[in-house]
Amino acid sequence: DAGVIQSPRHEVTEMGQEVTLRCKPISGHDYLFWYRQTMMRGLELLIYFNNNVPIDDSGMPEDRFSAKMPNASFSTLKIQPSEPRDSAVYFCASSWTGANYGYTFGSGTRLTVV
Amino acid sequence: QKEVEQNSGPLSVPEGAIASLNCTYSDRVSQSFFWYRQYSGKSPELIMSIYSNGDKEDGRFTAQLNKASQYVSLLIRDSQPSDSATYLCAVSMFSGGYNKLIFGAGTRLAVHP
Repeated sequence: DAGVIQSPRHEVTEMGQEVTLRCKPISGHDYLFWYRQTMMRGLELLIYFNNNVPIDDSGMPEDRFSAKMPNASFSTLKIQPSEPRDSAVYFCASSWTGANYGYTFGSGTRLTVV
Repeated sequence: QKEVEQNSGPLSVPEGAIASLNCTYSDRVSQSFFWYRQYSGKSPELIMSIYSNGDKEDGRFTAQLNKASQYVSLLIRDSQPSDSATYLCAVSMFSGGYNKLIFGAGTRLAVHP
């Protein structure tokens, strides 16, 4: 299995631009999670899906952030408009049956908003 | 009180020594416990899981769980410089009918030659 695949690996964008991060979970996994990691705040859960349905988006910082999972093999996290404080590493993770067997993380997208 | 607490470190140990990483959690009904290793600039990698009280050994790593004390630890024997990383403790907790992992802030381990 190729693991959780995220793209792009790095993204540099100007403030105000739209940013779209992509994730392909491990085949057969029924949960997908989006995290943000910064030095100051550590690993923060933004939103998670079960069988493509958003379950909890309470971690999404504000309306500028949105996430979709149109099918079992693809999810996007969109920031519009982007701001410098959104600069962070964004991880996607997937799992089978929730937390029972742990999560597998993708390689992450390092976002820099200038 | 944070749901999962770890000492941020850095924990500095000499090569060949035993590194002991500790974690406490708040939810008494938690059932699944994990240790992740994260190298600088990389993603978290699952290295150990433990579900019942006692010790679980895998190579140089031993996870220890004490549910009564709500405490989980990771021992790394014969520490190597390549073990230098941040170690994240993760605990399963139910919320809104769903079981999800809660991560600690991580302990940075530095193994010096």
